[in-house]
Parts: sequence; C-alpha cells; structure tokens
Amino acid sequence: DTAVSQTPKYLVTQMGNDKSIKCEQNLGHDTMYWYKQDSKKFLKIMFSYNNKELIINETVPNRFSPKSPDKAHLNLHINSLELGDSAVYFCASSQDNHVEAFFGQGTRLTVV
Amino acid sequence: QKEVEQDPGPLSVPEGAIVSLNCTYSNSAFQYFMWYRQYSRKGPELLMYTYSSGNKEDGRFTAQVDKSSKYISLFIRDSQPSDSATYLCAMTGSSNTGKLIFGQGTTLQVKP
Repeated sequence: DTAVSQTPKYLVTQMGNDKSIKCEQNLGHDTMYWYKQDSKKFLKIMFSYNNKELIINETVPNRFSPKSPDKAHLNLHINSLELGDSAVYFCASSQDNHVEAFFGQGTRLTVV
Repeated sequence: QKEVEQDPGPLSVPEGAIVSLNCTYSNSAFQYFMWYRQYSRKGPELLMYTYSSGNKEDGRFTAQVDKSSKYISLFIRDSQPSDSATYLCAMTGSSNTGKLIFGQGTTLQVKP
C-alpha cells in the first residue's frame, strides 16, 4: 500500500502550458505539503494545508495554485509554465506533530 | 547565506567504514532536527529525529545535536552499499507549522 502517491511520475510539457499534479495520502494525516527540489537537490517547501486550510504559502508565484478537496488530497495546478519550473515536486503529509513527514515518490516536471 | 548548510559531497567510502555527515544552521529557534535518506529517483524517507540537544541511536545510525554550536551530525557505523544515497538534514522550530528547512543534502557512495 502506497502511503503518499503522486501522479504523474513524469511530466514533459511546453512553455506556456497549464498542468496539474495530484497527490493522495492514505495515512489519515491532517497536514499535507508541496515541496520543490531543484537540480542541486535543494528541497524547499511551497505550501502546506491542514484539514483543507492553507497554512503555509512560501512566496511562490501566483501561477502555482494548490487545491485541497479533502484532507487526503492535495493537488497542485501550475499555469503558464516556465523553463525555471523544471524540477521535482514532492507531496508529503504528516500528523499533528509535523516533524515526521512522509513523502511521495515525486513528479519530475520538465518544461521545454 | 542559507539557514541550513550541508556539504553536498559527494562522499565515497569503502564498505564497513564509519561515515560522518554534518549540518550547520543559523536559526537558534530550531528545536527539531531530522535526517532524511533519499535514494535516486525516490522521495525522502525519515531516518530519525531528535528534539533539542543530545544523542539518539537507532541500529547503525546515531544522530547528535549540539545546539550551542548549531551543529548536527549523523554517524553511520559499518556502512553498507545499500546506504548509498543522498542524506538530507532538516530542521524546524517549536511552533509546529510543519515548515521543514532542509540542507542541500550529502551524496554518499559506499563501495563494496
């Protein structure tokens, strides 16, 4: 059983397109996150949701919009994709203590 | 200057060696200190975490935190080829927002 699952695993798209990444967790956690990992493996938080409420929004361009239909799902929609958006995007979840985050396998986004 | 600094390596050691991985940080508000392991093309997985200063041991892994020096370490005893991965330190404060600040990660290769 996959705890945190993301789709798709790979995404290649042209500049200017709009794309979405989906995430689901079956751990019963209250908090979900989106992280971005750049080519140098630097992992940085983008958003977090707690029970469908936005908690963290880290100076991410407005082109990025997270949506949480319920506490088990957190999707990421990206408008007008740019070359610099190429990275690996990780979804994660944690329970109330927050420090033990469980990560998905990542979505490798390549913008051409 | 990044809040968390970690030497990216790569670090190459022979099987059976003791490995020392380190991070320094600048934010004295950090209270939780974590080590994540990330295999190639996979999501990070939590190895262990420590609250405040002190040591914590789990099998071949020992985590140390020295808050006075703002320095944390992960030691791996009797290293195995299966330990070859990128090791990411992460930290957060006591406010429990879930915002983890990651180091850049150290790539470790254990040669048979």
